[in-house]
Amino acid sequence: SQQGEEDPQALSIQEGENATMNCSYKTSINNLQWYRQNSGRGLVHLILIRSNEREKHSGRLRVTLDTSKKSSSLLITASRAADTASYFCATAYTHNYGQNFVFGPGTRLSVLP
Amino acid sequence: DAGVIQSPRHEVTEMGQEVTLRCKPISGHNSLFWYRQTMMRGLELLIYFNNNVPIDDSGMPEDRFSAKMPNASFSTLKIQPSEPRDSAVYFCASSPPTGFGGYGYTFGSGTRLTVV
Repeated sequence: SQQGEEDPQALSIQEGENATMNCSYKTSINNLQWYRQNSGRGLVHLILIRSNEREKHSGRLRVTLDTSKKSSSLLITASRAADTASYFCATAYTHNYGQNFVFGPGTRLSVLP
Repeated sequence: DAGVIQSPRHEVTEMGQEVTLRCKPISGHNSLFWYRQTMMRGLELLIYFNNNVPIDDSGMPEDRFSAKMPNASFSTLKIQPSEPRDSAVYFCASSPPTGFGGYGYTFGSGTRLTVV
């Protein structure tokens, strides 16, 4: 399937450390997006990176995209306890019958104080 | 803007009953999406609308599920009859024009459905 796969499934770090999550996908994409979901809440859009871009920054977030390896990474620098959440990558792609937008299973990040 | 508004936040119903979930997208967004989230299957796209027209409903699990968007500001997802395996969190999301993956989606807070 086209579904993106994040790894690791779960990550536990100390406050102040950097957190890196990876996402791999299978076919060509139009763009890739990262979302955060706090427990019991909806998903919040963090950042979108287009297929012709290699890196984007937003505050403490840094996203890279390597289309040759069909992978992306999300780096959260100087993590805080409030960053504890699940993080999902989602890929937008075009197929023979139209377009699709698929979420991966997510990475559960725990930032310990 | 109040964001994407879903109701109810929680719904507990007995097997066999009809359930209706509601969504109000962000004004000006012309794409609307219904997702279902479970621990086992993650986030699944059920159906999406563009300009109130259903574009792809291939994710709708069965004929028991139906969705409508009578106007740009309102959509419903109905399950009739409901079954315990329908228990999940149902999210509605909307995005601006040309938003199919072209822009970030704005999600509602979800409806947690429990069918007993």
